[in-house]
Amino acid sequence: NAGVTQTPKFQVLKTGQSMTLQCAQDMNHEYMSWYRQDPGMGLRLIHYSVGAGITDQGEVPNGYNVSRSTTEDFPLRLLSAAPSQTSVYFCASSYRLDTGELFFGEGSRLTVL
Amino acid sequence: SQQGEEDPQALSIQEGENATMNCSYKTSINNLQWYRQNSGRGLVHLILIRSNEREKHSGRLRVTLDTSKKSSSLLITASRAADTASYFCATDAPSGGSNYKLTFGKGTLLTVNP
Repeated sequence: NAGVTQTPKFQVLKTGQSMTLQCAQDMNHEYMSWYRQDPGMGLRLIHYSVGAGITDQGEVPNGYNVSRSTTEDFPLRLLSAAPSQTSVYFCASSYRLDTGELFFGEGSRLTVL
Repeated sequence: SQQGEEDPQALSIQEGENATMNCSYKTSINNLQWYRQNSGRGLVHLILIRSNEREKHSGRLRVTLDTSKKSSSLLITASRAADTASYFCATDAPSGGSNYKLTFGKGTLLTVNP
């Protein structure tokens, strides 16, 4: 039972570099989302998806792109990394589109120098 | 913007004592959820309470919801050292469409001393 798998767990980037955080779930969940967690800020929603081909913005979408070509995968792309994007990123999924518990990955810690 | 706010920010108790954490929110909600996060790990769902429910139990957890005061509380009874974690409330306030956005508070750090 893999659940939600995020890779990489740790990454260091230089300002201006791009990268993709991978997220995969094996629970056939329609809903997937990306959050970032910063000290003193709690979790903030970046982007979410309610199914393959459907994505929408959350609270803090600037600087990030997402796509959902399959039900299983929901990658998060940083286009041109900035120090302000240093954070811990969490992918989460849910079996319900209206409401329901989120299943979280273990997180990806990103440092932008 | 943050919908839920937990109180206190940090709580330290002895093993066997009860721990109470509170969550206040600003706008009407459909549901409120509580999550736990151990240090360096992802969040784990604890319990969901719907807006038409006033109290819910799950093992040593008791959650109450007062929609008139826009607040919820999480009670952990007979705490154990393994309960040491951060606890977050999350709400899914209607956003005027079919969108589904769960918003989290900043969390309460609970330390249970052996």
